[in-house]
Amino acid sequence: RKEVEQDPGPFNVPEGATVAFNCTYSNSASQSFFWYRQDCRKEPKLLMSVYSSGNEDGRFTAQLNRASQYISLLIRDSKLSDSATYLCVVTPMDSNYQLIWGAGTKLIIKP
Amino acid sequence: EAQVTQNPRYLITVTGKKLTVTCSQNMNHEYMSWYRQDPGLGLRQIYYSMNVEVTDKGDVPEGYKVSRKEKRNFPLILESPSPNQTSLYFCASSTQPGAGVEQYFGPGTRLTVT
Repeated sequence: RKEVEQDPGPFNVPEGATVAFNCTYSNSASQSFFWYRQDCRKEPKLLMSVYSSGNEDGRFTAQLNRASQYISLLIRDSKLSDSATYLCVVTPMDSNYQLIWGAGTKLIIKP
Repeated sequence: EAQVTQNPRYLITVTGKKLTVTCSQNMNHEYMSWYRQDPGLGLRQIYYSMNVEVTDKGDVPEGYKVSRKEKRNFPLILESPSPNQTSLYFCASSTQPGAGVEQYFGPGTRLTVT
């Protein structure tokens, strides 16, 4: 089983819709969680950190479920510009330097 | 402008011909690392460096070398490239390693080894 797993998609979603996807992790001692966004053939860029209590940044909401070992990303009122691959990143408790990356979920917003 | 640069952006080479991919950052970051990205797999760390003259292996170091003689530069060296090293490579830097710190990535180098 992969340490960090994501549904690769693609998720085809109409503009304006709400979309959510999850990322599961296998190490229950993981301590830090992030969502990065990667546009086609470009470098990943930090979208948001994921805090234990959940956090929101505009149309984006990230949540952590430690009991079930997954994090989620919800995008409201989706825009065409939200089309990208969303990468989940986890940091193990026993390592301060290692980042474990998911393979990403591809999202396509259609007009 | 704060950035991480990589060169070349695209490279096609033949098996066994030594190559170097350069990486440079202008943010005075201590921590730098190299990743490769392959379809269906997450970013996998090749090597990382905590500071000048301090480097260590990541998850997939075989076939690669690095050096950190200056804080800003972290070149990736393939002494004898093989076709299984065909991949998209990213250099990244941050103020410190790991948890809770944003990684800044270079634009990527697409390498093809024939």
